[in-house]
Amino acid sequence: DGGITQSPKYLFRKEGQNVTLSCEQNLNHDAMYWYRQDPGQGLRLIYYSQIVNDFQKGDIAEGYSVSREKKESFPLTVTSAQKNPTAFYLCASSNEYRDYYNEQFFGPGTRLTVL
Amino acid sequence: GNSVTQMEGPVTLSEEAFLTINCTYTATGYPSLFWYVQYPGEGLQLLLKATKADDKGSNKGFEATYRKETTSFHLEKGSVQVSDSAVYFCALRSPGNQFYFGTGTSLTVIP
Repeated sequence: DGGITQSPKYLFRKEGQNVTLSCEQNLNHDAMYWYRQDPGQGLRLIYYSQIVNDFQKGDIAEGYSVSREKKESFPLTVTSAQKNPTAFYLCASSNEYRDYYNEQFFGPGTRLTVL
Repeated sequence: GNSVTQMEGPVTLSEEAFLTINCTYTATGYPSLFWYVQYPGEGLQLLLKATKADDKGSNKGFEATYRKETTSFHLEKGSVQVSDSAVYFCALRSPGNQFYFGTGTSLTVIP
């Protein structure tokens, strides 16, 4: 089945540690996205990538980093510089960034808790 | 700029009641419009979409019509079920642009 996988589902981190969230898609989509979801605030865009080896900051990129070395993979690193990282993180992908008729497909999410 | 405003929740309805969740938007150009649904602890799933004015998207008994004159895309269902309890997000995508989401509306349906 085609889709997006995120791992792990739950992640615990101590303050001061970096942590990497995995996102893989087998939909052959060009564009991939990372969102952060906090209660009552909807989705906020962290980073997005339209093609391999290229990515852009979203609205809340500070304290996060990404890479896009393969079309299928878009890992997100939450660094120690992120002041309040406890949240639900969602990865998404879509076909053809310039084709705005196409919807985004979402992964199941990773819940990160900082202890 | 682009933005989506949707009705604040939470919304609580009895089973078989009529549902409306309001969504209005501001966009440059002619956007595509989407409704997503999120069940607890899961990612978002596309519920329906419309890509041009007067289009009606429909799925699983839910409907929404793209109204350019009122810049709206309200979600409706004639008879809700307990299984419809979830958070609903309205979203838009303009040409050459990324996605914009509303803040979500939580729906609880009681038997």
